[in-house]
Amino acid sequence: GENVEQHPSTLSVQEGDSAVIKCTYSDSASNYFPWYKQELGKRPQLIIDIRSNVGEKKDQRIAVTLNKTAKHFSLHITETQPEDSAVYFCAAPTRRSGYALNFGKGTSLLVTP
Amino acid sequence: DVKVTQSSRYLVKRTGEKVFLECVQDMDHENMFWYRQDPGLGLRLIYFSYDVKMKEKGDIPEGYSVSREKKERFSLILESASTNQTSMYLCASSQIVGYGYTFGSGTRLTVV
Repeated sequence: GENVEQHPSTLSVQEGDSAVIKCTYSDSASNYFPWYKQELGKRPQLIIDIRSNVGEKKDQRIAVTLNKTAKHFSLHITETQPEDSAVYFCAAPTRRSGYALNFGKGTSLLVTP
Repeated sequence: DVKVTQSSRYLVKRTGEKVFLECVQDMDHENMFWYRQDPGLGLRLIYFSYDVKMKEKGDIPEGYSVSREKKERFSLILESASTNQTSMYLCASSQIVGYGYTFGSGTRLTVV
């Protein structure tokens, strides 16, 4: 079926290192790929997104890359800081859900000082 | 700034009760969504609505219904609450179908 797979489920890095989270999708009609960050006890917040006509997008220490042929997209966080610790979700709109966002299961990122 | 407000932050209900979860957005968005969030399962779509009076089932609609009488308000109804509906419920709205959402703060529902 049409779904979004996200890996890894947990990720631990040292402060200053880079973190990469990967997602794959199966619906070829998906054309928009957002990433959300959810801190403990808070609502998910959009941190970066990319549309299917773009291969890469950067915003300070975070970037998202998209490979439409392989149907995968990745979140890259450089120079990680303890405040980057959170759960990150990728998502993509899917036809079966009327193009509502279908979310990955999340990656719990821990940045240790 | 778009505000999506969920009426209750925490809720405890008994098995068999009819439960109403309310969500209101203040930015005239057409599109509204209900998700439930469980550890290890991510966010799963329950119902969505792209217009007043329009409602569509998501991936896990069983045991739920929705109401959207007004554009700004989208209610999730648990017809007869069961313990397996204990979860965090998140409402979201968006201006454009399929594009980035703004989420409410969530309602943590416990069914005992």
